[in-house]
Amino acid sequence: GAGVSQSPSNKVTEKGKDVELRCDPISGHTALYWYRQSLGQGLEFLIYFQGNSAPDKSGLPSDRFSAERTGGSVSTLTIQRTQQEDSAVYLCASSLSSVGLAPKGEQFFGPGTRLTVL
Amino acid sequence: ELKVEQNPLFLSMQEGKNYTIYCNYSTTSDRLYWYRQDPGKSLESLFVLLSNGAVKQEGRLMASLDTKARLSTLHITAAVHDLSATYFCAVDLIQGAQKLVFGQGTRLTINP
Repeated sequence: GAGVSQSPSNKVTEKGKDVELRCDPISGHTALYWYRQSLGQGLEFLIYFQGNSAPDKSGLPSDRFSAERTGGSVSTLTIQRTQQEDSAVYLCASSLSSVGLAPKGEQFFGPGTRLTVL
Repeated sequence: ELKVEQNPLFLSMQEGKNYTIYCNYSTTSDRLYWYRQDPGKSLESLFVLLSNGAVKQEGRLMASLDTKARLSTLHITAAVHDLSATYFCAVDLIQGAQKLVFGQGTRLTINP
C-alpha cells in the first residue's frame, strides 16, 4: 500500500519568506509526527498529533513554527519568516496508535522535504 | 530528559567481518527502534524491540534489548557492501506521546 508522502520534496526560499510543507500519512494511521533532521542537531522531534487530541507541540523550536492536521489526515507544517538555521530536512511519520499493545506504534517515515533558506 | 547515545558514530569495516553498534539511553523505556537511512533517503524501519531480552534478526542484522542496562545492540554478521548506510536507534517514553528520541546515528561503511 501507499506509504507516507510529503511535498514538496525540495524547497528553496529566501530568508523572511513563509513556507508550507505537506504530509499525507498512511491511510488509517491515527498518529502523525513531524521531525527535523539537520547536520548540527541530528533528528529532532517537532510536533505530534493523535486523533482529535490537542497536539504535542513541545518540540517546536520557536513560535514561527506551527502545524495543523485537517480531518485527522493531511498535515501542514508552516514556518513563518524563515531563517537560515531553519534549513534542514523535515520528515513526517505516521503510526497506527500512540498507546496500546499492538502494533506498538511503529512509525513509518515519509521521504522528507529538504528546505533550503538562502 | 531522555538522551540516547550511539557508538561508534563512524565505522568502516571490511566485507565478511562482524561488528556491533551500541545504543545507550538514559531513562526507563521498553520500546526501542532501529532505523536505516541511505544517503538522501528517508528512514527505513529495521527492528522494533518491545521488551527486556527481545532479540530480532533479519538477514545479517540482529538487534537485542536489555532494558535493565538501558542498552540495545545491533550486530552485523559477515558484513556485505549493501549494508553501508547510517543506522539510528530511537527510544520513546513509556508514558506520554510517542515522540522518538534518536541517537546520533552510526555511519557504517563496508569496503569490498
